[in-house]
Amino acid sequence: SQQGEEDPQALSIQEGENATMNCSYKTSINNLQWYRQNSGRGLVHLILIRSNEREKHSGRLRVTLDTSKKSSSLLITASRAADTASYFCATDPFGNEKLTFGTGTRLTIIP
Amino acid sequence: SQTIHQWPATLVQPVGSPLSLECTVEGTSNPNLYWYRQAAGRGLQLLFYSVGIGQISSEVPQNLSASRPQDRQFILSSKKLLLSDSGFYLCAIYDAVNYGYTFGSGTRLTVV
Repeated sequence: SQQGEEDPQALSIQEGENATMNCSYKTSINNLQWYRQNSGRGLVHLILIRSNEREKHSGRLRVTLDTSKKSSSLLITASRAADTASYFCATDPFGNEKLTFGTGTRLTIIP
Repeated sequence: SQTIHQWPATLVQPVGSPLSLECTVEGTSNPNLYWYRQAAGRGLQLLFYSVGIGQISSEVPQNLSASRPQDRQFILSSKKLLLSDSGFYLCAIYDAVNYGYTFGSGTRLTVV
């Protein structure tokens, strides 16, 4: 079953703008992760945020986590054409490495 | 660093034919291995995971099976494919350093 639901399902922005994607989940979690998938390829791990963390940065990525609202957001700043991909959140409810993935946000960066 | 090899990249099989997808891992030993399936435009569904040789756990009832004959080899099989088995199959290993998955490049299976 799907634990996470990303919003929006699709997003198109101009190169250089910031892109924000949201993820909502249903049960308590040990950690939440974000992945990127280029068309027809495997997923690439971007960032992990633990349940006791509220914000995390990695390069142009900023992830926030609000456990009271069971939601997370992924912000990509100064977007580039190479950021065009689908982005998935995944939750690890029990810290046992079995992830449940959301349905993804398809991001298109317009040059 | 650990890497995952998956093959073939694409596969077209008739209904009722058998299936064997292979995943091998390098750069680590005794990994936890996972098979996921992704339907078109959807998220990933966990099919099987393995914590060691011969140890397979199935997450959903289905027409598929998995085996782990060697520490770094994970195989997804079917005796008779159904149309509903079409999808993008991904093998993954848990990266204990980064606390996330490393995925293979996937196999796109089309059952016709």
